[in-house]
Formats: sequence, structure tokens, C-alpha cells
Amino acid sequence: GDSVTQMEGPVTLSEEAFLTINCTYTATGYPSLFWYVQYPGEGLQLLLKATKADDKGSNKGFEATYRKETTSFHLEKGSVQVSDSAVYFCALRGGPEGGGNKLTFGTGTQLKVEL
Amino acid sequence: DAGITQSPRHKVTETGTPVTLRCHQTENHRYMYWYRQDPGHGLRLIHYSYGVKDTDKGEVSDGYSVSRSKTEDFLLTLESATSSQTSVYFCAIRTEMKSPLHFGNGTRLTVT
Repeated sequence: GDSVTQMEGPVTLSEEAFLTINCTYTATGYPSLFWYVQYPGEGLQLLLKATKADDKGSNKGFEATYRKETTSFHLEKGSVQVSDSAVYFCALRGGPEGGGNKLTFGTGTQLKVEL
Repeated sequence: DAGITQSPRHKVTETGTPVTLRCHQTENHRYMYWYRQDPGHGLRLIHYSYGVKDTDKGEVSDGYSVSRSKTEDFLLTLESATSSQTSVYFCAIRTEMKSPLHFGNGTRLTVT
């Protein structure tokens, strides 16, 4: 079945540092890929998405590129802020061949940004 | 916030008691989902609904049932709560089949 693997956290960075959170996936067909962010005490919010190979999703300075050849969707940001501290989830939605409408989530990576 | 309200926000209950969590949405979206969030597991799908009285099981449905008698409400029931069901439960809605999920703020359930 579909699965998502994320790097374990917590990831602790200083403000203005470069961020990478790795995400790789296993899926049948042609999945869509997502990054969600969860701030303390809140539900998940969609951060960005990509629906086909080589697409780049971007939002709020975060980027991720759908790499079919390496089955990856790594999240990056050039300069993190304290306000980026949150838990980040990689997720996929299977293509028509592989289960349609349901999302499969990774285990989440906690990011802590310090001054 | 896509008009999603979960209630209660926090609940402590004893093993063996029934518990019902409610998800209410104000925008008549067709698709609704219940997930649980646990450390080391991310979010796992419990049940989902694609319309009134149309529900289906997710990957961790044992011990849970759901009902959707009207579009705006999706109820999750733990028929006899166990300590392994201590978790944070999230409701989510989807506006159309391929649109992103929108999540509520969660219900923290503790089973003692």
C-alpha cells in the first residue's frame, strides 16, 4: 500500500538558517503530494502541494519539488523564522490506480526555530 | 477555518464507557473524515463519509463507529473506550473530491 517516510525530529535551527525536511514515498500510480503544517493546539493546514512529476509547490517561502525518479518531495525554506516552529507532515493522495481519494500521512517532523 | 467545529475539545473518560465526538461544519461539504493523531504514527484515517448515511472504514476503524444523519454533522463513537484510544482526534472536510483537506482543531481524548 501507499506509505510516506519523513525524517524524524525534532529539527532545531537558528533563525535565518536553511531548512530541509526530507520526505520519500511509496505509491502505485501517480499520486499527488502535499505538505501540511500544524501549529500548537491547532489542526493541520495545507502548506503546499504538487500534483505531477517535476511540479514545484510553494507557499510562504517554503518549496517542494515532486521528484518521481527519487520518489521524494523534500520541503525547503531558505531562511526560517521563529514563527515557522511547528510540526510538518508530508502526505500523498493515491492516483486513480491506487486508492483515489484518501490521504496517507507521514509521522510528522517537529521544527523548532530559536533566536 | 472552513467552518469546522469539533466538540468537546477535551475529554477524560474511563475505560469501558461509550464516548461520542462531534464534528460540525457550516458549509454543506460532502466529504468528511475522522483521523487520530498519535506520536510516531502521524495521522491515521478511522472512518470517512461521502454523503448523508454513506460512510466507509479507514485503516484503524476497529472499536469505532460513525454516523452521518445530516450533511453538517459527522459523529464518531467509541462504543467501549480503551486506553489505546487515548489520542487526539481530528475531523476534516473536503469541498470536492480532489480538493485539499481542511481540518478542525481537534479533540484530545484521555481514557483512564
